[in-house]
Amino acid sequence: QLVLTQSPSASASLGASVKLTCTLSSGHISYAIAWHQQQPEKGPRYLMKLNSDGSHNKGDGIPDRFSGSSSGAERYLTISSLQSEDEADYYCQTWGTGIPWVFGGGTKLTVL
Amino acid sequence: QVQLVESGGGLVKPGGSLRLSCAASGFTFSDYYMSWIRQAPGKGLEWVSYISSSSSYTNYADSVKGRFTISRDNAKNSLYLQMNSLRAEDTAVYYCARAGTTGDYGFLDYWGQGTLVTVSS
Repeated sequence: QLVLTQSPSASASLGASVKLTCTLSSGHISYAIAWHQQQPEKGPRYLMKLNSDGSHNKGDGIPDRFSGSSSGAERYLTISSLQSEDEADYYCQTWGTGIPWVFGGGTKLTVL
Repeated sequence: QVQLVESGGGLVKPGGSLRLSCAASGFTFSDYYMSWIRQAPGKGLEWVSYISSSSSYTNYADSVKGRFTISRDNAKNSLYLQMNSLRAEDTAVYYCARAGTTGDYGFLDYWGQGTLVTVSS
């Protein structure tokens, strides 16, 4: 079964960097994922598609401060030079042919 | 620019039906897979369904299979979600999203603003 696992919460200081993790279930470690941001009281916003080799394609207008990387079953979202507006929920999402698509449980990022 | 605008949400009694619509603009709608995603109050995102660009393929989350039907009208640049036998646990904001093209689909790269569905007596 295709499952994505995320830590429920993370925190980092204004101006610092943070690395969020999304873990693919066993047997699915070659899958690409997408990262989405949801700021408080807003709809989700696509950040990037992240492949297993670490290559990624960002959405329109996504700042260079957002980057992605991969290692085995882990998919990472790194946000550098944290700003107050980066305080949000971050979801990873994946898909396959003929199978249900999946979201991770989300990580709530607090900017201190 | 790409725009997705959902409509059709509202208050419905358990066991009732509702049809959601999503009007798309700013891209060639008929080239893209489309998807519905929902978010219950205070909860995370839950994928609901997707449909291929030509309507040949659809898929549903187990939680809605047999009750919800996704469809599209490429001539009208519109996506739909027919929801029957609604339950209290279907209460959520429903989002439509663009989901890539044939050969490179699955990632949700544009989202609508959502429409709220409340199932309550």
